[in-house]
Amino acid sequence: RKEVEQDPGPFNVPEGATVAFNCTYSNSASQSFFWYRQDCRKEPKLLMSVYSSGNEDGRFTAQLNRASQYISLLIRDSKLSDSATYLCVVTGNEKLTFGTGTRLTIIP
Amino acid sequence: GAVVSQHPSWVICKSGTSVKIECRSLDFQATTMFWYRQFPKQSLMLMATSNEGSKATYEQGVEKDKFLINHASLTLSTLTVTSAHPEDSSFYICSALHEGDPNTGELFFGEGSRLTVL
Repeated sequence: RKEVEQDPGPFNVPEGATVAFNCTYSNSASQSFFWYRQDCRKEPKLLMSVYSSGNEDGRFTAQLNRASQYISLLIRDSKLSDSATYLCVVTGNEKLTFGTGTRLTIIP
Repeated sequence: GAVVSQHPSWVICKSGTSVKIECRSLDFQATTMFWYRQFPKQSLMLMATSNEGSKATYEQGVEKDKFLINHASLTLSTLTVTSAHPEDSSFYICSALHEGDPNTGELFFGEGSRLTVL
């Protein structure tokens, strides 16, 4: 089993819709969780950290479920500019592990 | 926010030559930097963890004699692809850890270097 797993997609979603995807991790001792966004041929950029209590930033909501060992990202009222690959990152034991990324395309 | 600069952005070289890629943290000191490679439509693959003043820690399957990493200062890490071959063509990205704690510190990425070996 991979340390961090994501559904690679692609998710093709109409503009204005809500979309959610998960990321599962295998190490129960993992400590910190992040969502990064990567545009084609660009470097990843931090989208948001994921806190135990869940957190929201505008249209984006991230949640952590330690019992089931997954994190989620919800995007509401999706925009064309949300089209990108979303990478989850899990840290623990001084190591960062990336998921394979989920490709999202917002359709006009 | 913190800035990490990577150079060169693009490099084309002949098979058998060596290529050096630099990764600099411009406005903070980074004791830990990471090097990744990314093939088209795939995720980042961690190659090695670079620690200032000590030897890099390579991931399984990454040849340390082929991918030389030097982290001589708190703001600079270099990756040298030695005797490059076409299969080494890839997108190489570095990242630097801000605040030094790999479990909670924020990661900042360089812009990436696209290597094409002819």
